[in-house]
Order: sequence, then C-alpha cells, then structure tokens
Amino acid sequence: EAGVVQSPRYKIIEKKQPVAFWCNPISGHNTLYWYRQNLGQGPELLIRYENEEAVDDSQLPKDRFSAERLKGVDSTLKIQPAELGDSAVYLCASRGRGANTEAFFGQGTRLTVV
Amino acid sequence: DAKTTQPPSMDCAEGRAANLPCNHSTISGNEYVYWYRQIHSQGPQYIIHGLKNNETNEMASLIITEDRKSSTLILPHATLRDTAVYYCIVRNQGGSEKLVFGKGTKLTVNP
Repeated sequence: EAGVVQSPRYKIIEKKQPVAFWCNPISGHNTLYWYRQNLGQGPELLIRYENEEAVDDSQLPKDRFSAERLKGVDSTLKIQPAELGDSAVYLCASRGRGANTEAFFGQGTRLTVV
Repeated sequence: DAKTTQPPSMDCAEGRAANLPCNHSTISGNEYVYWYRQIHSQGPQYIIHGLKNNETNEMASLIITEDRKSSTLILPHATLRDTAVYYCIVRNQGGSEKLVFGKGTKLTVNP
C-alpha cells in the first residue's frame, strides 16, 4: 500500500511568486494534516482536516497561505505571495479513524524562496 | 496538550541499546505518550505509543514510569540506520487530535 504521497519533492521559487504543494493521503484516512518544519526545529501544525472540513487552522497565516481538501481526499497548500521566511519543509500527514491510531507522514516538500 | 522535555542530543555505539529519556511531568490521565523519529530528509515515522503499561513492538520498547511523568524509549540493538531525531509527544486522545512536536533528541549511532 502506498504511503502519503507529496509533490513536488523540491521547489525553488523567487520571492513574491506563488507556489502550491500537493498531498495524496493514505486511502481511507479521513484526517489530514499540513505541517511546516524549519531547519533544526520540529514540525509545526498549519492546518488539520477532518474529511473536507478544516477543523484547526489557527496556525495558518491566512494572509498568504490557503489550503483546500476537495472531496475529502487530496489536498493542496498554497502560498501567495511567497516570502524568504517561507523557506522550509512542508509535510503532509494522514490518520485513520479511531482515537488510538497513529499518523503517517509523507516525505515532504522542501521549499526554497530566493 | 502536555509539554515534553528531551535532551538535545545523545550518542550510542552500534549494537548497544539506546535509551532515550523524555520528561512529561504535566501529563494528564487521558494522554498517551507517542514516539516518532525523523531520519534526515524524510518525514517523521511512527515508532510506538503507550498510556501507562510498558509497550514493545518490532522497532522498540517504551517504558513509562508508574507516575507517568517520564518515559524511556529503548532501541535494544542500535544500528547506524537508527541515527535520527527522536520526538516524544504527549497527545490527548479525547480532545486535540494534533501532534505537537518539540525539538526532539538527535541520536547518533557510532560504528
């Protein structure tokens, strides 16, 4: 069974340009997370979806970041416009139903803004 | 979610047991202890979790103290591929469903 798939793996863009990341969670997983990880730090939650509903987006910088999860499966995370400080690894994770289940992470997208 | 405290780094000789401590003194009764690890350039990988009993799986063992204020992740025979950052996370099963990561412990397994 395929794990959480993210693309692209790497992205280099100039500041002020838009960028989008895509995530395909494990089949059947209703919970989807987007995390951001800065160098030397642990991942920080940006947004959590339960099916197609964003239930926790308190850490998402809404002036430039947006996310969607149409039909409760795939998800995209967008930054527009990107800033130098957005350089980081963006991780997607998914989790199945049940209170005692673990989350599975993708390999992440490494974004470099120049 | 309760916070955790871990040493920033540890070293271990290949083939020996690696014991990674975690302090979670403010843990509440319905919070589980989760361990994840992150190998360089990869996403975090689930290792093990527990509530109050010790747990063991094919990857590791988790020892939780009786008062649940601390725990130890044990890799019984560390290999070079176990070099990674290990995160100890306390998660409330009945409330917030998010995983709150700290900085973790960078474990280096030396040949």
